[in-house]
Amino acid sequence: KAGVTQTPRYLIKTRGQQVTLSCSPISGHRSVSWYQQTPGQGLQFLFEYFSETQRNKGNFPGRFSGRQFSNSRSEMNVSTLELGDSALYLCASSLRTSRREQYFGPGTRLTVT
Amino acid sequence: EDQVTQSPEALRLQEGESSSLNCSYTVSGLRGLFWYRQDPGKGPEFLFTLYSAGEEKEKERLKATLTKKESFLHITAPKPEDSATYLCAAEPQGGSEKLVFGKGTKLTVNP
Repeated sequence: KAGVTQTPRYLIKTRGQQVTLSCSPISGHRSVSWYQQTPGQGLQFLFEYFSETQRNKGNFPGRFSGRQFSNSRSEMNVSTLELGDSALYLCASSLRTSRREQYFGPGTRLTVT
Repeated sequence: EDQVTQSPEALRLQEGESSSLNCSYTVSGLRGLFWYRQDPGKGPEFLFTLYSAGEEKEKERLKATLTKKESFLHITAPKPEDSATYLCAAEPQGGSEKLVFGKGTKLTVNP
């Protein structure tokens, strides 16, 4: 069974630009969660989608948004990038909205210059 | 505020030298406690879920245990390939249902 895939793996953007990251969950998994990982803050929950609906949201500004498509694939968008947005963005999928046994993708390394 | 604290931040062991990693949690009720392993440049890999105090789970050289305030990840006779960052996360009951992660313990096992 194929794992969670994320594209692109690496991205370099300039302050003020916007970026879209993509995540394809494990086949059959309907819940997709997004996390931001930085050395200082560790893993922080961004939001979760299930059946195209956002079910939960973390404490991040409105510049961070996402969506989920009918095939469970998800995208995350960050607008007006700031230097502090440089991080590893991880996507995780699970069978249901409960975050038990989430399976993570390899992440997208975003660098903002 | 829901919080998960892992200790130590870093741990160096010799191959075969057993030890334990600690995860202390303060959450509004606990729905589940999760352990993950993360290798450099990769996403976390799911290891265990624990649901109630007294529960134990094992996988190869790893054993996870849970009490009402903390969880331990015991590593028996570790090998160099066990070197990784081990992450602990707590899922609070009800309310926001956000998964709260600790900052991890970086384990290095020297041959």
